[in-house]
Amino acid sequence: EVQLLESGGGLVQPGGSLRLSCAASGFTFSRYPMSWVRQTPGKGLEWVSSITGSGGSTYYADSVKGRLIISRDNSKNTVFLQMNSLRVEDTAIYYCAKESGTYSYYHDYWGQGTLVTVSS
Amino acid sequence: EIVMTQSPATLSVSPGERAILACTASQSVSSDLAWYQQRPGQAPRLLIYDASTRAAGIPARFSGSGSGTEFTLTISSLQSEDFAVYFCQQYNNWPLTFGGGTKVDIK
Repeated sequence: EVQLLESGGGLVQPGGSLRLSCAASGFTFSRYPMSWVRQTPGKGLEWVSSITGSGGSTYYADSVKGRLIISRDNSKNTVFLQMNSLRVEDTAIYYCAKESGTYSYYHDYWGQGTLVTVSS
Repeated sequence: EIVMTQSPATLSVSPGERAILACTASQSVSSDLAWYQQRPGQAPRLLIYDASTRAAGIPARFSGSGSGTEFTLTISSLQSEDFAVYFCQQYNNWPLTFGGGTKVDIK
């Protein structure tokens, strides 16, 4: 059974940093790209970032480019999102998602999410 | 960026009736279109990928169709657990983009 468990969310001041983690199990982690998707409470979904299975390529939404960094540790079956220079508008539930395969970036499994609140 | 537009924003349907949800892309995404269901307090769940292929474990009452810029999700006979929000997502081009969602509620 595929399981994704996010952690690391919390309250942070504008300009601050936070590191999210997503521990994966139930599949061969290194074979699959992974993504982070966020959702503002009561609103829609916004793709944030993706990383290939090897970690060799990363992709970012323009709204987070240069501030958020995705990475992975295949030896620990974990994907990370380092969040720097946080803004109020980054407040959201952050979901970790597994991609279906190398070339099709639709999210076949999702974690339960971790809440990030950016406020002074 | 490809903009995904869903309509209607809210759809009121009686249990047992059929619901048809629409998703329009601002440019062609071929068949690189997925649908997700999100129940209150839960993470999204994949329903349909490649525009018309049901994901594992998804009931046959859910079906997807379309290609290019126009897509539909049909729920043939609404069950109580189907009242939720539905999102479409294109994966033909970066950045990946989602529609704003359609809420299906009880009439």
